Amino acid sequence: NAGVTQTPKFQVLKTGQSMTLQCAQDMNHNSMYWYRQDPGMGLRLIYYSASEGTTDKGEVPNGYNVSRLNKREFSLRLESAAPSQTSVYFCASSETIGQPQHFGDGTRLSIL
Amino acid sequence: AQSVTQLDSQVPVFEEAPVELRCNYSSSVSVYLFWYVQYPNQGLQLLLKYLSGSTLVKGINGFEAEFNKSQTSFHLRKPSVHISDTAEYFCAFEGGGKLIFGQGTELSVKP
Repeated sequence: NAGVTQTPKFQVLKTGQSMTLQCAQDMNHNSMYWYRQDPGMGLRLIYYSASEGTTDKGEVPNGYNVSRLNKREFSLRLESAAPSQTSVYFCASSETIGQPQHFGDGTRLSIL
Repeated sequence: AQSVTQLDSQVPVFEEAPVELRCNYSSSVSVYLFWYVQYPNQGLQLLLKYLSGSTLVKGINGFEAEFNKSQTSFHLRKPSVHISDTAEYFCAFEGGGKLIFGQGTELSVKP
């Protein structure tokens, strides 16, 4: 039972490089989310997709873009990485908006 | 503004002792409340949820939480902790379709 799968698990980038974080879920969930986790700040929502074909900004969207490729997949792109984007990124999904979310194991991203 | 505050950033306890992790929320509308647990190098797992009904909610691993509307609190409790409960715990509420998380409480259980 895979649940939510994130790739890669670790990545190191140089400032200015671009990168796409991949996320896929096999639970037939409608809603998907991207968060970043920083020490002492909990999780902050970057973008979410309430259903296939829609995306909306969360609390901290600047510097990121997302694509809901299909019902299963929701990718997060950093067009020009900055050191402030060093963080652990989590993807999550839920049956619909407002329902409990299931999380992937995270992508640890360092930007030098 | 909607927010969640976890009142303790770190809680050290001895094995088999009781523990309470405190959470207060601020919202002007009805809320759904959650506690999640994060073990090292893993994602978050749902411990328990309050959607409606009984204010005492039981979750996995022997945890429970009580919703108190008048005090806008949703504290997490366990009567006897184990070493394996060492993890970070997050309180969250669903507002406007999005989860709003507290800053997290690091529970450290010592032998």
